[in-house]
Amino acid sequence: QQPVQSPQAVILREGEDAVINCSSSKALYSVHWYRQKHGEAPVFLMILLKGGEQKGHDKISASFNEKKQQSSLYLTASQLSYSGTYFCGTVKTDSWGKLQFGAGTQVVVTP
Amino acid sequence: DTEVTQTPKHLVMGMTNKKSLKCEQHMGHRAMYWYKQKAKKPPELMFVYSYEKLSINESVPSRFSPECPNSSLLNLHLHALQPEDSALYLCASSQVGNPGYTFGSGTRLTVV
Repeated sequence: QQPVQSPQAVILREGEDAVINCSSSKALYSVHWYRQKHGEAPVFLMILLKGGEQKGHDKISASFNEKKQQSSLYLTASQLSYSGTYFCGTVKTDSWGKLQFGAGTQVVVTP
Repeated sequence: DTEVTQTPKHLVMGMTNKKSLKCEQHMGHRAMYWYKQKAKKPPELMFVYSYEKLSINESVPSRFSPECPNSSLLNLHLHALQPEDSALYLCASSQVGNPGYTFGSGTRLTVV
């Protein structure tokens, strides 16, 4: 069962912030975040393993609320290079190796 | 070397052909994966190899046959495919234990 991701799409002006959410109905072992640009492979951004964990990658950060089985990706002071489709991927506690992706959030950053 | 290399980058094959996709990594990763991605959709897991043994097959039709000849190589053998199998096929690798996956650039397959 794939995670639920929202919103489907977001349009930002350079410098604005955005949040992408990812939730699962099952107990999660880990949450992964990837960005894919058109015609390219997904690129790993970060992984969150523990409840309440937060991580950062430049001005992109994420949190994982283990109790709610939810993760959020924060795009801060967005740059043109942040454009792409963001996927969350989840691994359930009883399904090692099964990284399943959400439907994706298309992010467009305009000048 | 921090890359996953996939060949070929593009492949056009007829429905009666037999072809193979190749994936190679030299990062010492012992888990390797095949994903299929259709346009505007997320990658879908097909197979997982752990320590060169097939550990997960996500009910993939037998016309797709994976093979892991050694810890650096992963192949996907294709036979009698259908036009709906046209997609981007992604290979990925990771350390065992779910750290981040490194994806190859993919093979764009067209079945005619």
